[in-house]
Amino acid sequence: DAGVIQSPRHEVTEMGQEVTLRCKPISGHNSLFWYRQTMMRGLELLIYFNNNVPIDDSGMPEDRFSAKMPNASFSTLKIQPSEPRDSAVYFCASSWHLGVSTSETQYFGPGTRLLVL
Amino acid sequence: AQSVTQLDSQVPVFEEAPVELRCNYSSSVSVYLFWYVQYPNQGLQLLLKYLSGSTLVKGINGFEAEFNKSQTSFHLRKPSVHISDTAEYFCAVSDRMWRISGGYQKVTFGTGTKLQVIP
Repeated sequence: DAGVIQSPRHEVTEMGQEVTLRCKPISGHNSLFWYRQTMMRGLELLIYFNNNVPIDDSGMPEDRFSAKMPNASFSTLKIQPSEPRDSAVYFCASSWHLGVSTSETQYFGPGTRLLVL
Repeated sequence: AQSVTQLDSQVPVFEEAPVELRCNYSSSVSVYLFWYVQYPNQGLQLLLKYLSGSTLVKGINGFEAEFNKSQTSFHLRKPSVHISDTAEYFCAVSDRMWRISGGYQKVTFGTGTKLQVIP
């Protein structure tokens, strides 16, 4: 398996522009997570999907952020409009959800390094 | 609410020396504990995890960790480090999270410890 695939790997944009990050989870996995990593705040969960349905979006910072999962093999995280404080590394991870009483291994993509000028 | 504390942000150690990376957690109920490693410009990958059973957990690359419930700790150890172990290590705890849409195991990560192996 190719693992979790994220694109682009690097993105430089200007403040106010729309940014779209993409993720292809591991085939067969039914859970998908979007994380943001910064020096100040570490690794934060933004949103969690199970079977393409958003279960927990309490980590999404504000209305400028939105995420979709139209099918089991694709998800997007969109920032519109982008701001310099959105600069971070964004990770997508996937797993096979076994139930609420057990914790499965999450498999991370290589991340998208976003710089908003 | 669950949380993870990694007290050491950086740990320098000479090659072939032993190393311990400290992790303390807090959680209201029984937990699952993890150590992930992040090499430069890569995503995180699982080193080892504790779900239940033996408190000594062995992982990949010669690492092991010991779950200590009374001290709420899950320290990571390796008896002899190699240059290739230079990376950032994250301790994590997962616990049940309930939402209207359903329940899941939410993973909370520590702030990470950078291990620098010195030749």
